[in-house]
Amino acid sequence: QVQLVQSGAEVKKPGASVKVSCKVSGYTLTELSMHWVRQAPGKGLEWMGGFDPEDGETIYAQKFQGRVTMTEDTSTDTAYMELSSLRSEDTAVYYCATDIRSGLRGYWGQGTLVTVSS
Amino acid sequence: AIRMTQSPSSFSASTGDRVTITCRASQGISSYLAWYQQKPGKAPKLLIYAASTLQSGVPSRFSGSGSGTDFTLTISCLQSEDFATYYCQQYYSYPPVTFGGGTKVEIK
Repeated sequence: QVQLVQSGAEVKKPGASVKVSCKVSGYTLTELSMHWVRQAPGKGLEWMGGFDPEDGETIYAQKFQGRVTMTEDTSTDTAYMELSSLRSEDTAVYYCATDIRSGLRGYWGQGTLVTVSS
Repeated sequence: AIRMTQSPSSFSASTGDRVTITCRASQGISSYLAWYQQKPGKAPKLLIYAASTLQSGVPSRFSGSGSGTDFTLTISCLQSEDFATYYCQQYYSYPPVTFGGGTKVEIK
């Protein structure tokens, strides 16, 4: 059974950066392909990017290119998503989730609320 | 990017009803289609992947069908715990993975 536990809520000012963590248990991070999805208040789901095991690279949605960095620390089985140059439109719940294409599909973290406000 | 369009965006139904939600892709995606259920304040829950394969632990009243551009999620006998928002997701063309806008199922 895979468990994904995310870091707590954050409040940031416009222009700042935020780094959200996603701790894996039950499996090792190397056995998973981790993706990140966000959801603005009252809105739908938006895919931000994730690891593509077919070419061994992390792929980002074009919308976030240059502003987002997804990294992994395999020594602690923790994935990270860092978003920079925050603006009010980045206020959302950010989720880590396992790749829908993998055998370990369908596991999501509990979500991390990031609020961007001056 | 492939655009996913769900219909309706919301509707009301009663416990025991048979309900169907539709998802249409802007281009063919074979069977690379998943359905999620989301309740307020909770993460999405995977119900179906590969258009019609039930995720482990999901009740059999949920079913999915379709291929190419047109897909449906059916709940055969709506239960109280099924009132939620449902999303479709295509993973044929990656990147990006794209989601439908959601369908909210409310109590009549």
